[in-house]
Amino acid sequence: QVQLKESGPGLVQPSQTLSLTCTVSGFSLTSNSVSWVRQPPGKGLEWMGAIWSGGSTDYNSALKSRLSISRDTSKSQVFLKMNSLQTEDTAIYFCTITTVLYYFDYWGQGVMVTVSS
Amino acid sequence: DIQMTQSPSLLSASVGDRVTLSCKASQNIYKYLNWYQQKLGEAPKLLIYYTNSLQTGIPSRFSGSGSGTDYTLTISSLQPEDVATYFCQQYNSWPTFGAGTKLELK
Repeated sequence: QVQLKESGPGLVQPSQTLSLTCTVSGFSLTSNSVSWVRQPPGKGLEWMGAIWSGGSTDYNSALKSRLSISRDTSKSQVFLKMNSLQTEDTAIYFCTITTVLYYFDYWGQGVMVTVSS
Repeated sequence: DIQMTQSPSLLSASVGDRVTLSCKASQNIYKYLNWYQQKLGEAPKLLIYYTNSLQTGIPSRFSGSGSGTDYTLTISSLQPEDVATYFCQQYNSWPTFGAGTKLELK
């Protein structure tokens, strides 16, 4: 069955770089696209960016300058790297399968990331 | 950016009620409107895509409608398990979400 699972550090210091991994199973990354979506505690959802089945990427323009999404299809993993973290980047980070009509039909459980010194 | 405004932000209703949640876009989004349900401590779940297409496995009491800038999610008969926050999401440029409607039992 389709599964996505996020992993990464729970705590990141301000100005440092966040690295997250989304490990997927039950589907192929060469046939499906994956987005990262985040949610600050008690707040709404923000799409961060996507890596398409062909390997191209799209990013939220508000985050584009400090965000990178990549993948390793042999390991069924998608990676997020975001630099210059600030306290407002504290959030739950989700990876999700993204359809061509940009709806998100399978989600990981999410990983909480706190930016604090 | 296309801004999505959901109303109300909090809705109290009784079991069996017909419930209507609204979502308004800052410009025409040509029916590229999706709805998600998020229960406390869980990931969002896709309910409706492209305005009115019911995701597989979602109960038929959920339905969507709308066009242009105005969209609606309707629950025909509220059940206790429907207590959650509901988010709308558009895709006409890059995806953006509304701030959510929290649905509670009266």
